Amino acid sequence: QMQLQESGPGLVKPSETLSLTCTVSGDSISSSSYYWAWIRQPPGKGLEWIGFIKYRGNDYYDPSLESRVTISMDTSKNQFSLNLRSLTAADTAVYYCARHLIYYGLHYWGQGTLVTVSS
Amino acid sequence: DIQMTQSPSTLSASVGDRVTITCRASQSISGWLAWYQHKSGKAPKLLISKASSLESGVPSRFSGSGSGTEFTLTISSLQPDDFATYYCQEYDGYLHSFGQGTKLEIK
Repeated sequence: QMQLQESGPGLVKPSETLSLTCTVSGDSISSSSYYWAWIRQPPGKGLEWIGFIKYRGNDYYDPSLESRVTISMDTSKNQFSLNLRSLTAADTAVYYCARHLIYYGLHYWGQGTLVTVSS
Repeated sequence: DIQMTQSPSTLSASVGDRVTITCRASQSISGWLAWYQHKSGKAPKLLISKASSLESGVPSRFSGSGSGTEFTLTISSLQPDDFATYYCQEYDGYLHSFGQGTKLEIK
């Protein structure tokens, strides 16, 4: 059964870098049929698309975050990761990883992890 | 960048009502639109892809339509489990933005 699980710190200081990992089970991330995405939801606000990475392909990001964000893959661990630099309180959110089935949408999601940016 | 605008932001309705949520794209996205249901504390759930294709296991009271820049999600007869927030998302190209969401509340 396909599952995604986010992991990482729940509290990060302003100006630091957030690193989150999504561990995928039940399928290989080494497939050209999917994009591997990150989405977030700040408290009281809507879903925000952060970006995604393609296997053996490029990565794409929301223009408002592009200068601070990197998504990478580790196929040996069947994981993909999010790095978000120069954090501010506005980056406080529940962060979700998800699998985007090409032509269909975000089919599978992790449960989400709350990240708070505070000193 | 494509901007997605949902309306209304909040919708109050009763069990049994028929409701419609609209999503407009700032430029044509053909039919590359998905609808999600999101309940607090849970992961969003994909309801409809390609504007009108119902995902497996999603009740038939949900339907989607539209193409180009205007899309709708309709729930034909609201059930208690349907009160949630709904989002559209475009996936034309490589930047996949969400609408701002529509919170469906019990009247």
